[in-house]
Amino acid sequence: DQQVKQNSPSLSVQEGRISILNCDYTNSMFDYFLWYKKYPAEGPTFLISISSIKDKNEDGRFTVFLNKSAKHLSLHIVPSQPGDSAVYFCAASVNAGGTSYGKLTFGQGTILTVHP
Amino acid sequence: DAGITQSPRHKVTETGTPVTLRCHQTENHRYMYWYRQDPGHGLRLIHYSYGVKDTDKGEVSDGYSVSRSKTEDFLLTLESATSSQTSVYFCAISEVGGWGNQPQHFGDGTRLSIL
Repeated sequence: DQQVKQNSPSLSVQEGRISILNCDYTNSMFDYFLWYKKYPAEGPTFLISISSIKDKNEDGRFTVFLNKSAKHLSLHIVPSQPGDSAVYFCAASVNAGGTSYGKLTFGQGTILTVHP
Repeated sequence: DAGITQSPRHKVTETGTPVTLRCHQTENHRYMYWYRQDPGHGLRLIHYSYGVKDTDKGEVSDGYSVSRSKTEDFLLTLESATSSQTSVYFCAISEVGGWGNQPQHFGDGTRLSIL
């Protein structure tokens, strides 16, 4: 029972264009969503997050959109750069009340390749 | 970078042997987590800790135990390793543990192979 799903195992984009990575979730209790980036032989690195009270959060070239009614979030990278080539994981947690201790549920990951 | 050190970084062992992985942090964060990463599954939570001597099970805890005797160290033990526990193991830390929206930060992982 995968509560967070990334249905695209891979995505290939030309340098300078937009990369759009998608993530769907089923648990309506999730209220905090994150994107992590992972290079080979390294740990996941936090990229950007969004609370369920917002529908958009922007940080430089990275924007995360949240559609609660569709239980869908997406990460936009504009413009894409070759250094963005990595595995991207979306993750979610139930933070209301602190009772979940911040436990994260991850998607399967999407391999992004940005071609020069 | 968050001060998280995982050791060893790589380990090869045989089925049935005990294995202990260590996570050491210098951030004095209260919350620590162990995840495993497998193809097709992303990262899955094994165990977590919300304070010294306070631990609980995650999604895939069978065959694993943990201990936390000091704030800075969180140990993951495979009492009798099986081939299904071949994986990459990541430790993460959090200052707020869900009390407020702040991300977890991860170590660089331990690649464990069980033959």
